[in-house]
Amino acid sequence: DTGVSQDPRHKITKRGQNVTFRCDPISEHNRLYWYRQTLGQGPEFLTYFQNEAQLEKSRLLSDRFSAERPKGSFSTLEIQRTEQGDSAMYLCASSFPDRALNYGYTFGSGTRLTVV
Amino acid sequence: LAKTTQPISMDSYEGQEVNITCSHNNIATNDYITWYQQFPSQGPRFIIQGYKTKVTNEVASLFIPADRKSSTLSLPRVSLSDTAVYYCLVGDTGSARQLTFGSGTQLTVLP
Repeated sequence: DTGVSQDPRHKITKRGQNVTFRCDPISEHNRLYWYRQTLGQGPEFLTYFQNEAQLEKSRLLSDRFSAERPKGSFSTLEIQRTEQGDSAMYLCASSFPDRALNYGYTFGSGTRLTVV
Repeated sequence: LAKTTQPISMDSYEGQEVNITCSHNNIATNDYITWYQQFPSQGPRFIIQGYKTKVTNEVASLFIPADRKSSTLSLPRVSLSDTAVYYCLVGDTGSARQLTFGSGTQLTVLP
């Protein structure tokens, strides 16, 4: 297990199309997070899961966005009817929940989405 | 949420020690201080985390004064490969929502 994997690394789509990204977390981590990052800004929190339960969603996560984590393993983030403003890097991270064991989040390399 | 303030950018030369200070005046009792490093086109990478006094690992040291209203990330003998954006985060690591990234500090190491 070499870390958090995200697929695809890059995605170019036409405005109005739907896109889906996948994240495979570190297997021992039961928390999974999605963040979005635009150029020159720090990552912005979108949502997080503990096991299969989605426990928190940011106001940034509009109705066009949906995330799932079936069986508490991998997760998918879907964006429907993409808009140019959705162009960003989408980052996935995973972690242990226990503070004593928390060595921070482990991030994947992200999926770069470009909406044209 | 505890807000953090850190310099937008810093320059240094290879072999020097670099100290990046972060202000977090509204830090709460349960909050930890965490630093991340990010290279272009990669996700952030955890560097170090602490609650008070000093924490050291193989990569960096973190100094936190008694009032915890600021913290300093110290990178010893930087190299060109340490050029990156460094983020200071403050929050209760038991609650994902409270970990908020600011704009970070762009560290540029010059030859």
